[in-house]
Amino acid sequence: EDQVTQSPEALRLQEGESSSLNCSYTVSGLRGLFWYRQDPGKGPEFLFTLYSAGEEKEKERLKATLTKKESFLHITAPKPEDSATYLCAVQAPRNTDKLIFGTGTRLQVFP
Amino acid sequence: EPEVTQTPSHQVTQMGQEVILRCVPISNHLYFYWYRQILGQKVEFLVSFYNNEISEKSEIFDDQFSVERPDGSNFTLKIRSTKLEDSAMYFCASSGQGSYGYTFGSGTRLTVV
Repeated sequence: EDQVTQSPEALRLQEGESSSLNCSYTVSGLRGLFWYRQDPGKGPEFLFTLYSAGEEKEKERLKATLTKKESFLHITAPKPEDSATYLCAVQAPRNTDKLIFGTGTRLQVFP
Repeated sequence: EPEVTQTPSHQVTQMGQEVILRCVPISNHLYFYWYRQILGQKVEFLVSFYNNEISEKSEIFDDQFSVERPDGSNFTLKIRSTKLEDSAMYFCASSGQGSYGYTFGSGTRLTVV
């Protein structure tokens, strides 16, 4: 069964303290791995799509990487406005468009 | 930046009543989706819609649910007879041809009492 597991569930960081969020996946034929940011009471906001092992993408203080079994979202020198829940999702074989989400990592960055 | 718009933002309904959740996807997108998120749980796929028909649906999407694209801009989710367990945030999403970067709306919080 296709599955996505995110860790840690929650993370508290001091402003400027870099860290990484993990997304482990088990899918039969990965088409894409997605990272989203979700603020309370809002919809997921698209950050990155990764398609193949070794791929990396960056946006401001965020960098996403992908291996054959997991993805990392690295946050460099975070600011309080980076506080949110970060969701990982995978899209599996050719005959499906659906995304399978993990439970997310709730990030709090305090000054 | 183009947005997916959902209305209403919050709907309270009595058990057994019908509700219609509305969405305006991004105008040049071709693929439309509904997802839901029960409080504290994962975002779950409900249904995908392409070329005026359902392309895929989950086990959650039973006979009580239906989707429609009544005109060129709106995309709706109807729940015929709501249950308490239908209480959740419902998200509409859309994507373009060859694009895997879904855009989600802000959601409708449905509360069934």
